[in-house]
Amino acid sequence: AQSVAQPEDQVNVAEGNPLTVKCTYSVSGNPYLFWYVQYPNRGLQFLLKYITGDNLVKGSYGFEAEFNKSQTSFHLKKPSALVSDSALYFCALTGNAGNNRKLIWGLGTSLAVNP
Amino acid sequence: GAVVSQHPSWVICKSGTSVKIECRSLDFQATTMFWYRQFPKQSLMLMATSNEGSKATYEQGVEKDKFLINHASLTLSTLTVTSAHPEDSSFYICSAGLAGSPDTQYFGPGTRLTVL
Repeated sequence: AQSVAQPEDQVNVAEGNPLTVKCTYSVSGNPYLFWYVQYPNRGLQFLLKYITGDNLVKGSYGFEAEFNKSQTSFHLKKPSALVSDSALYFCALTGNAGNNRKLIWGLGTSLAVNP
Repeated sequence: GAVVSQHPSWVICKSGTSVKIECRSLDFQATTMFWYRQFPKQSLMLMATSNEGSKATYEQGVEKDKFLINHASLTLSTLTVTSAHPEDSSFYICSAGLAGSPDTQYFGPGTRLTVL
């Protein structure tokens, strides 16, 4: 069965420090992996995705994620956190080919960046 | 590009009434739209997949007669919560897929429903 795990409910980091939000997955076949961010009382915004190719994916707002097949992970990273990055982050997965396959969602990680 | 709107952004209704939520893709055509429900500080729960011109596909446990979905055009899908009850109070979010990038969903801002 396909699944996504975000092992941390909350991540706290000081402004200017690097941040990592963890995501691991389980899928048969090749995964399509996504990161979305949700700011308070707003809809989700697409950050980045991995479909194929380079394992390091760069996305919006300076975020990047590294696909690691051996560790079945897709951690979200940013070299220098901003207070404005504080939000709820979701990792999601869809298996096999695309065409609007439904997403399997992690439970979300609340990121707090302290000034 | 790839903007999805929802209307209304919030609604308060009395128990027993019906509420319609609209989801529109403003600058692209969406053959498939998705409806989610999100509880406070929790992940998204997929309710149904809405395909233009055909019946929606509901997830297990979602009552299709209570949550009516219509996808009449390539830019509009509606979710009607019929005979709403307080337990239906939630944040409802729609998303749409972009042609040419079918695996990426673009989300509406959500609708906060409160049933009194």
